[in-house]
Amino acid sequence: GQQVMQIPQYQHVQEGEDFTTYCNSSTTLSNIQWYKQRPGGHPVFLIQLVKSGEVKKQKRLTFQFGEAKKNSSLHITATQTTDVGTYFCAGPPARQLTFGSGTQLTVLP
Amino acid sequence: EPEVTQTPSHQVTQMGQEVILRCVPISNHLYFYWYRQILGQKVEFLVSFYNNEISEKSEIFDDQFSVERPDGSNFTLKIRSTKLEDSAMYFCASSVRQNQPQHFGDGTRLSIL
Repeated sequence: GQQVMQIPQYQHVQEGEDFTTYCNSSTTLSNIQWYKQRPGGHPVFLIQLVKSGEVKKQKRLTFQFGEAKKNSSLHITATQTTDVGTYFCAGPPARQLTFGSGTQLTVLP
Repeated sequence: EPEVTQTPSHQVTQMGQEVILRCVPISNHLYFYWYRQILGQKVEFLVSFYNNEISEKSEIFDDQFSVERPDGSNFTLKIRSTKLEDSAMYFCASSVRQNQPQHFGDGTRLSIL
């Protein structure tokens, strides 16, 4: 079955540093979605990428979808303490979302 | 903003008992989902539901589990004969269409004793 891997599993950064998480799928994805889960909270949708090579920005967050539609990345510029949480990518080649293992981001003030 | 609501927020049950977790999806959404998240682990897909039937289910979703839409608003997950390893957070989600962004509820924390 489909597997979605994310690296790193954990990342600690000083406030103001940049952060990147990478997502790799074993199969081609029709689209990829990114979610953020705050500690003790539920996944919250951030963005969906559909086109090969697509890049989207949300303020300090930059999302990229690979040319082969099998990988994606999320880059946060100048992290803030509000960025703390676990970032999941999720891919639906069919009718279910397969979540990646997540990257847990800790931002040290 | 409309949201997915789940009840109860926390359910404590003896092993072997049956539990029903309840969800009210967003009203104009057509696809409904259940996910499980064991503490500290990733979110795992259980089942998706559309047009009053299961459209997809994972290997986790065996005969112990069932889903139902008993009326026009509720969407339930029933777990029969619960086991210790069923202890997890269970999230309900809904989306307007298939493969569209999913909106998650706050979850039900299920603790099996």
